[in-house]
Amino acid sequence: TQLLEQSPQFLSIQEGENLTVYCNSSSVFSSLQWYRQEPGEGPVLLVTVVTGGEVKKLKRLTFQFGDARKDSSLHITAAQPGDTGLYLCAGAEGNTPLVFGKGTRLSVIA
Amino acid sequence: EAGVAQSPRYKIIEKRQSVAFWCNPISGHATLYWYQQILGQGPKLLIQFQNNGVVDDSQLPKDRFSAERLKGVDSTLKIQPAKLEDSAVYLCASSPWNTDTQYFGPGTRLTVL
Repeated sequence: TQLLEQSPQFLSIQEGENLTVYCNSSSVFSSLQWYRQEPGEGPVLLVTVVTGGEVKKLKRLTFQFGDARKDSSLHITAAQPGDTGLYLCAGAEGNTPLVFGKGTRLSVIA
Repeated sequence: EAGVAQSPRYKIIEKRQSVAFWCNPISGHATLYWYQQILGQGPKLLIQFQNNGVVDDSQLPKDRFSAERLKGVDSTLKIQPAKLEDSAVYLCASSPWNTDTQYFGPGTRLTVL
């Protein structure tokens, strides 16, 4: 069974601070996705990374896929209250269903 | 472009009752997914449809859960009878043919008392 471990589980920071959240697995994935989910809504896809070592930037968010395609990180620079939400990583491998981690719940305080 | 629609948004029932959820995917999306998201966890796939055929239902508790997508468009998920541990948000998602990108609806929050 493929598992994705996300850390930290909870994170509360002040506006303007930087943060990094992690997604780790013992399994190799062909691609990894990051989602943000706000209360009362479904997850919204932020990015998909497919190549080991790949780095993608989305404004203040930087996503990295590990060289071995087993782990990923999300770094947010100068966090804003609008970044508050549940950040989920999800791994895909072949035709197997997408596997989601439990998420990191981020709270950015103004 | 309209997103994935789900109804109802909230449902409260007593254990052993039945409940049904409805999902209308984004127009033209061939693939439809139902997920269960228990509080504090990530979504878990219950069933995946490709048009009106089932691709994966390995994690669907078939003794009490059923789902259909008769015309390959909208879908219903039913629980009969419900148990306390079924309390969760039920998310529907859809994706275009042959892509990994899934678009989620807002979910139905089910509370079983």
